[in-house]
Amino acid sequence: AQSVSQHNHHVILSEAASLELGCNYSYGGTVNLFWYVQYPGQHLQLLLKYFSGDPLVKGIKGFEAEFIKSKFSFNLRKPSVQWSDTAEYFCAVNAQNSGTYKYIFGTGTRLKVLA
Amino acid sequence: SQTIHQWPATLVQPVGSPLSLECTVEGTSNPNLYWYRQAAGRGLQLLFYSVGIGQISSEVPQNLSASRPQDRQFILSSKKLLLSDSGFYLCAWSGKRGNYNEQFFGPGTRLTVL
Repeated sequence: AQSVSQHNHHVILSEAASLELGCNYSYGGTVNLFWYVQYPGQHLQLLLKYFSGDPLVKGIKGFEAEFIKSKFSFNLRKPSVQWSDTAEYFCAVNAQNSGTYKYIFGTGTRLKVLA
Repeated sequence: SQTIHQWPATLVQPVGSPLSLECTVEGTSNPNLYWYRQAAGRGLQLLFYSVGIGQISSEVPQNLSASRPQDRQFILSSKKLLLSDSGFYLCAWSGKRGNYNEQFFGPGTRLTVL
């Protein structure tokens, strides 16, 4: 069965610190990978996605993620966080060509950035 | 442009009462529709998905059911709520935009069962 693991449940950083949130998935086939963010009181919105091609993906607000197929990982990074990055971050996977396009989500990481 | 609506935004219901949460999508046709529940520390759990009118797939056995009476309407229901049904319910759609692989989420409904 597919699964997604986010190892960091709570992260606290100071502004300007670098961020890396881990995401590992378990699936034997080809996958699409996503990072979503949920700011306090707002909709869940897409940060970035990987379908194919360059494994280093750049998203909105200075975020990037790298797909490492051999490690089944899709870690999210940002070189310098801001107070406004305080939010909950979710990694998600769906199987390519599955016909159902179902997502499997990780449990989320709550990031708090101290001003 | 496409938009997704959910209502109500918040709901407080007693144990044993019925439930009906509604989700509608505008600006697209033939979307796939999804219901998720977000519980603290457990991420988002897929409850139901639908690829067409009247076509519902259930992902987890539970006290809830879903229906899709119209192409862009998805309803989550229960005949008798349990305390464990409390949570944040999210509706999502995917479609031609994003080639069905990318999901777009609604604002959610916060359900508290007392």
